[in-house]
Amino acid sequence: DAKTTQPPSMDCAEGRAANLPCNHSTISGNEYVYWYRQIHSQGPQYIIHGLKNNETNEMASLIITEDRKSSTLILPHATLRDTAVYYCIVLIGTASKLTFGTGTRLQVTL
Amino acid sequence: DVKVTQSSRYLVKRTGEKVFLECVQDMDHENMFWYRQDPGLGLRLIYFSYDVKMKEKGDIPEGYSVSREKKERFSLILESASTNQTSMYLCASSLGDNLRNTEAFFGQGTRLTVV
Repeated sequence: DAKTTQPPSMDCAEGRAANLPCNHSTISGNEYVYWYRQIHSQGPQYIIHGLKNNETNEMASLIITEDRKSSTLILPHATLRDTAVYYCIVLIGTASKLTFGTGTRLQVTL
Repeated sequence: DVKVTQSSRYLVKRTGEKVFLECVQDMDHENMFWYRQDPGLGLRLIYFSYDVKMKEKGDIPEGYSVSREKKERFSLILESASTNQTSMYLCASSLGDNLRNTEAFFGQGTRLTVV
């Protein structure tokens, strides 16, 4: 599975868009990009995933570059409850070993 | 709603004890995972299983074993607990063969302290 690189921490003002980058330059053609987040003291929670097209759901949008070497998770209107560690993961299929890096700690402030 | 239940929220064990951490899921998921989480090290995969009686080593399997005798239950075993196994342990499950539903669901975690 491809490795990912994320900044260790980011800040965002409440109400503004939070744009969380992820680099996955060694991604292969059949690997998906997944995003999870972990709010303090809870288990990680799935946010969104995609292969090559941009995706949007009720939580977030995922923008994947044309060469698929990087992606951005967008929280359009961040709230204090979005303060969490965000993990970007790439993997093939559903039986792959699901491994997490150290993620990006997003702090949303007033 | 998918539910992943870990048997204990907090556990204190003595060095050298055999420790069982149990995880049960109620959605007929094929895949199950065990992680540990330590400050500054993120979530690290210990073992995973993609079917009954099947297991694969993760990134840090040393000192651990697992058992999956039934589809809904995945047990993590510390054969002889040591203080460096003090950690938060998280279990997860996911569907095995449908790319449209590949999110993993996590339990609330077991905080294990080995004294």
